[in-house]
Amino acid sequence: DARVTQTPRHKVTEMGQEVTMRCQPILGHNTVFWYRQTMMQGLELLAYFRNRAPLDDSGMPKDRFSAEMPDATLATLKIQPSEPRDSAVYFCASAGRRHPEAFFGQGTRLTVV
Amino acid sequence: AQKITQTQPGMFVQEKEAVTLDCTYDTSDPSYGLFWYKQPSSGEMIFLIYQGSYDQQNATEGRYSLNFQKARKSANLVISASQLGDSAMYFCAMREGTNAGGTSYGKLTFGQGTILTVHP
Repeated sequence: DARVTQTPRHKVTEMGQEVTMRCQPILGHNTVFWYRQTMMQGLELLAYFRNRAPLDDSGMPKDRFSAEMPDATLATLKIQPSEPRDSAVYFCASAGRRHPEAFFGQGTRLTVV
Repeated sequence: AQKITQTQPGMFVQEKEAVTLDCTYDTSDPSYGLFWYKQPSSGEMIFLIYQGSYDQQNATEGRYSLNFQKARKSANLVISASQLGDSAMYFCAMREGTNAGGTSYGKLTFGQGTILTVHP
């Protein structure tokens, strides 16, 4: 059963700590999206990759956020240092080469205290 | 810049009736794809239906159909025979740079969503 896998599912951390979220896209998919969902802002696109290359990360606060794809099976989103306003659900999604629809992981619920 | 607008913050429908969720979009790219996703209270994002800008016919997937009016730049979702399990948040989304073959290079941008409540 092909699915996008995100870890961890939940994370509680203290302000100032580094947070790393991981995503395993569906095997064979070549596009990965990172989103942040909050009640106030809805679903915001933070960054996306195609064939492991970053195409757009304009939605990401550059001073504290970074996104990478070390290989085709792993995408990471890091926040350093974390702040309470970063508390949100972070989703990863992947899309295939000939299918534009993206499939989402279960999300990482981040709470920064 | 692409933009998606969902003007209905909330909608109510009686079980077994049909409901239409509105979505308008704005783009200057002639090649794009339109999508609807469902997010139940459990939080997962579920892909429902896709319509390409070059598709001549409206997309259908079971009880879901997409009423695509290209000149009006609207892509409304129609759910027929509503069920209690349809109660959820529904998001419209667009992806520019999507050609007729389904290959896409663009980012996927979402509207603000519509909360649908189905009454028994």
